[in-house]
Amino acid sequence: QVELQESGPGLVKASQTLSLTCSVSGGSISRGPYYWSWIRQPPGKGLEWIGNIYLNGITYYNPSLKSRITISLDTSKNQFSLDLTSVTAADAAVYFCARLRVERRGPFEYWGQGARVTVSS
Amino acid sequence: SYVLTQAPSVSVAPGQTATITCGGDKIESKSVHWYRQKPGQAPVVVVLDDHDRPSGIPERFSGSNSGNTATLTISRVEAGDEADYYCQVWDIGTDHPQVFGGGTKVTVL
Repeated sequence: QVELQESGPGLVKASQTLSLTCSVSGGSISRGPYYWSWIRQPPGKGLEWIGNIYLNGITYYNPSLKSRITISLDTSKNQFSLDLTSVTAADAAVYFCARLRVERRGPFEYWGQGARVTVSS
Repeated sequence: SYVLTQAPSVSVAPGQTATITCGGDKIESKSVHWYRQKPGQAPVVVVLDDHDRPSGIPERFSGSNSGNTATLTISRVEAGDEADYYCQVWDIGTDHPQVFGGGTKVTVL
């Protein structure tokens, strides 16, 4: 059973960089065909896709966040990470990491429990 | 970018049927996945690939996809089905390849 777990600071100052890591167990992130993804959910709102990374390092980012996002893989630690620069109050949300099935354009099969991020002024 | 439209809320009495729709242009050409999210929890897949159920999801959950509308149907609704439900598709060849609907809050009366 694949399990994902987000980690990182729960409080980030405005204009600083939000950095989160997703640790994966029960399966190697070097094995496809899956994307490793970040999704967020502002308080009381719906799900927003942030971006994906494939095992070869190719990334896809939400155009509305693209200029501020970096998603990277660390295969030695079986982790992937999200950096979001220049955060504002609008970036306060629960951030989820997830595994996206590529075959037949599948679903986000496995999710982390979520990491709540607050932005302070 | 591709847009998925869901009604904000649906109310249903216990034992009745809840119908949750997801509208999108020619959505029948896409595989639609449905998630259930309870407060404070991560989303969970309840229907994938339009109409398949993951192991552990009751047969009461079913999906269909035709024309411009995909539908999640919950039969014999129970109190535990109260949650937010989201549809999701891939929008291949665009700069926004993963799309979620806005979500539907299902309230069990």
